[in-house]
Amino acid sequence: QSALTQPRSVSGSPGQSVTISCTGTSSDVGGYNYVSWYQQHPGKAPKLMIYDVYKRPSGVPDRFSGSKSGNTASLTISGLQAEDEADYYCCSYAGTYTLVFGGGTKLTVL
Amino acid sequence: EVQLVQSGAEVKKPGESLKISCKGSGYSFTSYWIGWVRQMPGKGLEWMGIIYPGDSDTRYSPSFQGQVTISADKSISTAYLQWSSLKASDTAMYYCVRRTSLVGGTIDYWGQGTLVTVSS
Repeated sequence: QSALTQPRSVSGSPGQSVTISCTGTSSDVGGYNYVSWYQQHPGKAPKLMIYDVYKRPSGVPDRFSGSKSGNTASLTISGLQAEDEADYYCCSYAGTYTLVFGGGTKLTVL
Repeated sequence: EVQLVQSGAEVKKPGESLKISCKGSGYSFTSYWIGWVRQMPGKGLEWMGIIYPGDSDTRYSPSFQGQVTISADKSISTAYLQWSSLKASDTAMYYCVRRTSLVGGTIDYWGQGTLVTVSS
């Protein structure tokens, strides 16, 4: 499976909203409602932020939301805060028990 | 509290063997799948494979089939990732993860990572 396509970088000012896209195919993102998003700060392990396209785990602020249209999933972060600056990875189930990740997006809070 | 605690960083020479570990606690270790994810220096995440410690059912990503071996010892709640002959291209951070199910399934917890460096 090829990696999912994410923008290399996005940026926004505190309080603004940003959206990170994640484009796959009908064999992964488009074929299943099993898209998740992970936040990774430098030198740290990734943290689950969104699962099953739009669900938020307990403890994740409601500023984080997920959606999907066709073969593209999106993560939107509203009310940007300095601590949101991190790398973000999307992940999709790709059939035959396999997961495929996006290449990662670096979010800069200006 | 769910925790996945991995073994420490390793420095190895090409051709050497290696086995790294991941110990789960705070949940029923035999009821969840444990997977492994590679992150090469400065790069993104790659899915390697998965094991169900309850019965050792194991599935590999095609890219890693035959390159590594995933195993588990449920008596000590520990999963393993091993190489029989390391290459320089195996240099990476390796994360163990808990996955909620085999079909679909979310990675909901990550270990802290084990850095493997392969250099002559």
